[in-house]
Amino acid sequence: AQSVAQPEDQVNVAEGNPLTVKCTYSVSGNPYLFWYVQYPNRGLQFLLKYITGDNLVKGSYGFEAEFNKSQTSFHLKKPSALVSDSALYFCAVRDTGTASKLTFGTGTRLQVTL
Amino acid sequence: DGGITQSPKYLFRKEGQNVTLSCEQNLNHDAMYWYRQDPGQGLRLIYYSQIVNDFQKGDIAEGYSVSREKKESFPLTVTSAQKNPTAFYLCASSTGTSSGNEQFFGPGTRLTVL
Repeated sequence: AQSVAQPEDQVNVAEGNPLTVKCTYSVSGNPYLFWYVQYPNRGLQFLLKYITGDNLVKGSYGFEAEFNKSQTSFHLKKPSALVSDSALYFCAVRDTGTASKLTFGTGTRLQVTL
Repeated sequence: DGGITQSPKYLFRKEGQNVTLSCEQNLNHDAMYWYRQDPGQGLRLIYYSQIVNDFQKGDIAEGYSVSREKKESFPLTVTSAQKNPTAFYLCASSTGTSSGNEQFFGPGTRLTVL
């Protein structure tokens, strides 16, 4: 069985400071990992994914994530947060043996303040 | 949200009524999905379809039904058997069934049972 955990319900950061949103996962094989962002009353928007290759993945809006196999983590990062980054962030994992099923974390609310 | 439309945006239902949520995509994607989102629980998979005229149950299929008669359409019916249908419903699609393909989401339908 596959699972993903987002240990923080909310992350607060001041604008201009770096941000990190944590994600850890569990799969039986190799993971495919995804980050999505959701603004209020909207659908999810794809940010980035890790499939294979370089452990540091760069995505939309200046976000990046680092795949760490030994720690089974895929934390989302941004060097300098913006107030407009305030949203709900979801990490998701798919086991390489599962063609269609994507398992989502419970989400982390990011609040960026001036 | 580009390429996937969901209607209506808001839906109110009386107890005991069946309602159908629409999902249409013009991305030429083979696979389509329905998720339910509840506060603090992330997204849970209801049904998915990898090809026309075929679909599979997800994690919480009880009380729901779907059809996939056309590639671009994947309607979800919430039946009276669903005990707690009030939620935010999200439709998604992806190309093929490769594990590395990200899913694209529609804007969602918020269903409220009165």
